[in-house]
Amino acid sequence: SYELTQPPSVSVSPGQTARITCSGDALPKQYAYWYQQKPGQAPVLVIYKDSERPSGIPERFSGSSSGTTVTLTISGVQAEDEADYYCQSADSSGTLFGGGTKLTVL
Amino acid sequence: QVQLQESGPGLVKPSETLSLTCTVSGGSISSYYWSWIRQPAGKGLEWIGRIFTSGSTNYNPSLKSRVTMSVDTSKNQFSLKLSSVTAADTAVYYCARVSRFGDSYYFDYWGQGTLVTVSS
Repeated sequence: SYELTQPPSVSVSPGQTARITCSGDALPKQYAYWYQQKPGQAPVLVIYKDSERPSGIPERFSGSSSGTTVTLTISGVQAEDEADYYCQSADSSGTLFGGGTKLTVL
Repeated sequence: QVQLQESGPGLVKPSETLSLTCTVSGGSISSYYWSWIRQPAGKGLEWIGRIFTSGSTNYNPSLKSRVTMSVDTSKNQFSLKLSSVTAADTAVYYCARVSRFGDSYYFDYWGQGTLVTVSS
């Protein structure tokens, strides 16, 4: 069955660049979306259509796509960016989430 | 600003039916898809299904046999029923608005989530 694969964890120091990947066979044919989830809160959309940023999301969040992998990049990471990040896409059966990546700001 | 609020029992007995309602405010429920998503404690997000305001539905194949979604446009609400629940259905349940680009769907507004525990 179709899956979206993310690394369980990524760690960076403040001010560095964090890159979180998401891999899936359908990604060349389907858009990917990224959500940020902080403890006890609902997810928030931070990237849509692979690389577009919703209004209100800081410019340090960006997205890119290459083949079967999409990447969420956070430039100049801040302490407040520490959270779980989920990619999301679709297959013929519906909608699918990646397993999530915990971003730790050291 | 669209807001969503889940409501329903926080405790359901095994083998019974979990029932939740999502009330939408700040905008009309019409002409959108609406979804339910759940998250067991310490785990990732799982899409349960979506419903259009016409009543058409798509469900996660892994849950399809137990899920029923409905919509009440007069009340700006949509609902989830999950039958024959077990402890594995214990999770925070979120409702969300679905937006789309062609056949690509995503979630732009979320409720705060409600914890449902399955226990006798």
